[in-house]
Amino acid sequence: GAGVSQSPRYKVAKRGQDVALRCDPISGHVSLFWYQQALGQGPEFLTYFQNEAQLDKSGLPSDRFFAERPEGSVSTLKIQRTQQEDSAVYLCASSLAIGAGGTDTQYFGPGTRLTVL
Amino acid sequence: AQRVTQPEKLLSVFKGAPVELKCNYSYSGSPELFWYVQYSRQRLQLLLRHISRESIKGFTADLNKGETSFHLKKPFAQEEDSAMYYCALSYNFNKFYFGSGTKLNVKP
Repeated sequence: GAGVSQSPRYKVAKRGQDVALRCDPISGHVSLFWYQQALGQGPEFLTYFQNEAQLDKSGLPSDRFFAERPEGSVSTLKIQRTQQEDSAVYLCASSLAIGAGGTDTQYFGPGTRLTVL
Repeated sequence: AQRVTQPEKLLSVFKGAPVELKCNYSYSGSPELFWYVQYSRQRLQLLLRHISRESIKGFTADLNKGETSFHLKKPFAQEEDSAMYYCALSYNFNKFYFGSGTKLNVKP
C-alpha cells in the first residue's frame, strides 16, 4: 500500500518568503509527527498530532513555524518569513496509534528538502 | 540537553567482521529505545526497538540501564548493511529524540 508521502520533495525559497510543506500520512494513522533534519544531524522533533489535535508543539523553533492537521489526515507545516537557518530536510512520520503497550512504529515520508537563499 | 549520543560519525568494517554501533542516552526514567536505519536513497525506517527484544537482519541491541546504553550489534557484517543508523529515545510516547547518526560502511 501507499506509504507516507510529502510534497514538494524540493523547495527553494528566497529569504523572507513563506512556504508550506504537505504531508499525507498512511490512511487510518492516528498519530503524525514533524521533524527537522539539518545536514549531518539526526531528525529533531518539531510537533505531534493525534488526529486533529496538536498535542505537543514544543519543538517548533520559533513562532514563524506553524503546523495544522484540520481533518485529522493531511498535515501542513508552514514557515513564515523563512531564514537561511531554516534550510533543512523536513520529515513527516505517521503511526497507527499510541497504545497502552508503548509507541507504535513510525513510518517516515521521503522528506522535503528546503533551501533558503 | 543532549539526550542521545552516538559518538561515531563513521564506522568502517570488513564483510564478515563483527560490528557494534554505540548509543548512549541521558534519561533517568524508563524510556523506549529504538534503532532506525536509512539505506541509500531510501527513507528512514525502524530497525528494532528494545521492548520487542527481537533480532532484525541479524542485529540485536540490549538496553543497559546501568550504563544508559543501547548499542547495536551484529556478529557478521554484510555489505548490504551499509547505511546510516540512528538511535532514538522516547519517554512519553509522543516525543522522540534522535542521535546524530553513524554511517556504517561495510567493505568487501
